[in-house]
Amino acid sequence: ELKVEQNPLFLSMQEGKNYTIYCNYSTTSDRLYWYRQDPGKSLESLFVLLSNGAVKQEGRLMASLDTKARLSTLHITAAVHDLSATYFCAGGSPDSNYQLIWGAGTKLIIKP
Amino acid sequence: NAGVTQTPKFRVLKTGQSMTLLCAQDMNHEYMYWYRQDPGMGLRLIHYSVGEGTTAKGEVPDGYNVSRLKKQNFLLGLESAAPSQTSVYFCASCRSGGPGEQFFGPGTRLTVL
Repeated sequence: ELKVEQNPLFLSMQEGKNYTIYCNYSTTSDRLYWYRQDPGKSLESLFVLLSNGAVKQEGRLMASLDTKARLSTLHITAAVHDLSATYFCAGGSPDSNYQLIWGAGTKLIIKP
Repeated sequence: NAGVTQTPKFRVLKTGQSMTLLCAQDMNHEYMYWYRQDPGMGLRLIHYSVGEGTTAKGEVPDGYNVSRLKKQNFLLGLESAAPSQTSVYFCASCRSGGPGEQFFGPGTRLTVL
């Protein structure tokens, strides 16, 4: 059974700093998704990572996937206040062709 | 395209009342999902559907029923609402298995008194 763990669960940082959110998963998963959720809003897809070594970048966010280490990272470069949100990772369950297994989310607060 | 829409956006029920939440998608997606999200928590899967006329239980199905009579619609029913069902409900859809990237509706905020 796939388990997905994110850390940290809460992160408060200053604008301009760099930081990384980690998403570890327990068994084989060949795909990993990152989503963003603003307070009181729905989830928005950020990145789709479908192969080992995949790297995707959008603005100040970069996501990568290492299937051998069972690890995905979301790296924030020179953080700005607008990136404050909760970030979720989700892995494809090897037991089901239809379900995503979700991490608990990382609440990111970026202070001016 | 409207994407994934949910009706209603907000609802307050009394314990024991029933209601149906409607999810509609115009992307011709095969798979649809109902999740609940409690304050400060992640997502928990209630039920899902892999095609018209099919439904399956997720992680927390008790107290809910679903139907997918048309490909574009996925209904979530609460037969006898309980305070423990106070939550935000999200519907999602995806084109294919694998599982594929899920697209979310705006959510329904439900309070059961």
